[in-house]
Amino acid sequence: EPEVTQTPSHQVTQMGQEVILRCVPISNHLYFYWYRQILGQKVEFLVSFYNNEISEKSEIFDDQFSVERPDGSNFTLKIRSTKLEDSAMYFCVQGIRETQYFGPGTRLLVL
Amino acid sequence: AQKITQTQPGMFVQEKEAVTLDCTYDTSDPSYGLFWYKQPSSGEMIFLIYQGSYDQQNATEGRYSLNFQKARKSANLVISASQLGDSAMYFCAMRLSNFNKFYFGSGTKLNVKP
Repeated sequence: EPEVTQTPSHQVTQMGQEVILRCVPISNHLYFYWYRQILGQKVEFLVSFYNNEISEKSEIFDDQFSVERPDGSNFTLKIRSTKLEDSAMYFCVQGIRETQYFGPGTRLLVL
Repeated sequence: AQKITQTQPGMFVQEKEAVTLDCTYDTSDPSYGLFWYKQPSSGEMIFLIYQGSYDQQNATEGRYSLNFQKARKSANLVISASQLGDSAMYFCAMRLSNFNKFYFGSGTKLNVKP
């Protein structure tokens, strides 16, 4: 079964630092999503990416966040200046219709 | 607006018994999909079962079945013969049409007692 992979699995950073979370998607899937889950809370939509462009973003996805596809295959989620409240699990998701592939997540801790 | 509601923050069940986790949803879109995911303490999201809004029959996947009541807008997950490994958080989620984002419920923490 195809897998979405994410790196790193865990990251600890100081408040105000930039972090880059990476996702290796399944090939031939055009739709791509980032979600986050603050510990103990529901999973929240951040941004969707279709055909190399942002197609939708939530109010959480402010100017501190950006998504890129730097090498045409992998995806990155960048947080420019992390805040304490950015501590969460970040998931990338790909799929179509009923077939949705969650990556294993990156657990980000901002100190 | 789209909304998923899970009213049971925590549930206990005895091993080998069946348990039902509740999920209600709200949407005016006629085309949607309903999903259940399991999240163990390790954090990954494990897909369990899917129900399309136009599916005539309730979905089943092994010990998991989805009790889909469209008129009541409910999509309850039934786990039969609970096992200790079923202890986890369970999330109900909805997607509209083919490519839209997920809307997640707040989750239910299931504890299976030996």
